[in-house]
Amino acid sequence: QSVLTQPPSVSGAPGQRVTISCSLRNSNIGTGYDVHWYQQLPGTAPKLLIFANKNRPSGVPDRFSGSKSDTSASLAITGLQSEDEADYYCHCGDVFGTGTKVLVL
Amino acid sequence: QVRLVESGGGVAQPGGSLTLSCAASGFTFRSYGMHWVRQAPGKGLEWVAFIWYDGNIKNYRDSVKGRFTISRDQSKNTLFLQMSSLRVDDTAVYYCARDLTYGPGSYLDSWGQGTLVTVSS
Repeated sequence: QSVLTQPPSVSGAPGQRVTISCSLRNSNIGTGYDVHWYQQLPGTAPKLLIFANKNRPSGVPDRFSGSKSDTSASLAITGLQSEDEADYYCHCGDVFGTGTKVLVL
Repeated sequence: QVRLVESGGGVAQPGGSLTLSCAASGFTFRSYGMHWVRQAPGKGLEWVAFIWYDGNIKNYRDSVKGRFTISRDQSKNTLFLQMSSLRVDDTAVYYCARDLTYGPGSYLDSWGQGTLVTVSS
């Protein structure tokens, strides 16, 4: 079964840039599959953050950006803010990533 | 705006049954596929099941096949998940989510607040 692997946690100071990687072991991610990202604030339901690799839904700040290469996808947060402290999940097909906790120092 | 409200969670014994509901409003329910996604305590997200907009296509993760049934009532704008032969590892918050399908794939653009299912003796 496909697995989307993310780092368990990343951290940064306010104002810094952090990136979260999402890799697919069997490389399906490089063969026309799109990747999406969700943000889950503590105690709340997930929320769509990025769809189709790099697109932001209305209302998502432009400090969030997504990209995808042949073997992985990435989510970048620039100008890190305290309210960005949350869990982030990538998603492709019927598989979610392992999740990454973003800590704001 | 889109609103999804889950209900029906609770405590069940191993081997027991529960039926979850998801009431949809703010959009044309019969035009969208719907998903169930779960999250065990302290764990990540896990896709459970999907039903096509007209109910004709249903997909399940392997671990729930034959035990869970996804369905929908278009007249009541409601999504269901019938769960039977419950196991301790089915314990999770269950979310319903709306599907947005496009050419190369699909994503979940709106989520409910979730309902907790606890399987314990």
